[in-house]
Amino acid sequence: DQQVKQNSPSLSVQEGRISILNCDYTNSMFDYFLWYKKYPAEGPTFLISISSIKDKNEDGRFTVFLNKSAKHLSLHIVPSQPGDSAVYFCAASAASNFGNEKLTFGTGTRLTIIP
Amino acid sequence: SAVISQKPSRDICQRGTSLTIQCQVDSQVTMMFWYRQQPGQSLTLIATANQGSEATYESGFVIDKFPISRPNLTFSTLTVSNMSPEDSSIYLCSVERGLAETQYFGPGTRLLVL
Repeated sequence: DQQVKQNSPSLSVQEGRISILNCDYTNSMFDYFLWYKKYPAEGPTFLISISSIKDKNEDGRFTVFLNKSAKHLSLHIVPSQPGDSAVYFCAASAASNFGNEKLTFGTGTRLTIIP
Repeated sequence: SAVISQKPSRDICQRGTSLTIQCQVDSQVTMMFWYRQQPGQSLTLIATANQGSEATYESGFVIDKFPISRPNLTFSTLTVSNMSPEDSSIYLCSVERGLAETQYFGPGTRLLVL
């Protein structure tokens, strides 16, 4: 049962335009969401996160939007740059008494920025 | 963030052998996590390792196959035992940092079992 889904395995965007990566989840207990970027032969790099008490979080060129009623989040990158070409993973967790622990990952979206 | 190193970065192993992967963190952390990313798939949590206690394994993963050590607050090992080609994966460790306890990942160990 895939609790976190990224339905687009790949996405190509022109340099300078906006990249929008989407993620859906099914577990209503999830209350903390993260995006990671992964280059080949490297571990995932944390990009940005959002708590369920917010619907938007922005950090430079990266903005994450959360729609709790739709169980949907998206990552916007603007403007897109060639260095953004990577695989992006959406992840979610349900906080417990011990904090945010187990992360459940989506299957990833490969973003290619076209110069 | 955190500085996390893993050894080895990659290895090719024969069926039936075992490999121990090391994870070193630049400062003390309470919890360390071990993930697996099989080819073309997402990251899956294997187990959570706390210092001074037994690791907690996720469904589908057992201690006999993936024994974990956590001798101190900056180091952990994961052993992949009695390997088969299905164990060919990237194995990653991660730690929690910051107020939001965001997880940060090591560079991964790429394992190929022949």
